[in-house]
Amino acid sequence: QQPVQSPQAVILREGEDAVINCSSSKALYSVHWYRQKHGEAPIFLMILLKGGEQKGHDKISASFNEKKQQSSLYLTASQLSYSGTYFCGTGSTNTGNQFYFGTGTSLTVIP
Amino acid sequence: DSGVTQTPKHLITATGQRVTLRCSPRSGDLSVYWYQQSLDQGLQFLIQYYNGEERAKGNILERFSAQQFPDLHSELNLSSLELGDSALYFCASSPSGASTDTQYFGPGTRLTVL
Repeated sequence: QQPVQSPQAVILREGEDAVINCSSSKALYSVHWYRQKHGEAPIFLMILLKGGEQKGHDKISASFNEKKQQSSLYLTASQLSYSGTYFCGTGSTNTGNQFYFGTGTSLTVIP
Repeated sequence: DSGVTQTPKHLITATGQRVTLRCSPRSGDLSVYWYQQSLDQGLQFLIQYYNGEERAKGNILERFSAQQFPDLHSELNLSSLELGDSALYFCASSPSGASTDTQYFGPGTRLTVL
């Protein structure tokens, strides 16, 4: 039930791009993306809904392919502030039942 | 600041004991979620409440229980504590509990069981 993220960890230099993938074994209604700094609360980035949409948020964007039950988070021209652990969260229904966070991807941006 | 408050911030206790973690949701949010995050692990969904009623249950142990009160604050009770229960416990709130809602996380309670 827990979505699987890949890669598990990635190290980037400032200015480089990264893609984080999230795959579920269940049909998805929504996909959330959050970023968490060590020891802090997760911070919301964006939600994508059923319908194959793509969203952008500054230099961070995401896509959702409901047929493949997958979502990808794209980070372009990475900044030091992007470092943290990224989690996808998936909902299989609109009501909020069966909501699970993914395994997490640790992203480290170095100068 | 998300508007979600959790108390206490830190809790140190012994094995076999019982503790209560408290969460106050953002003003206007009706749904509360509880998550457990062990060291360098992901967020394990425990339970969700909506307007006082249990809506969804995840990987919550039988030794754990929760409730949401009429004023919408929620408490997570952990009993017969074991070393493995040491973790960061987050609550999150959302307006309606739908999977399309943003979940706003509190700062967490760090539980250490010795």
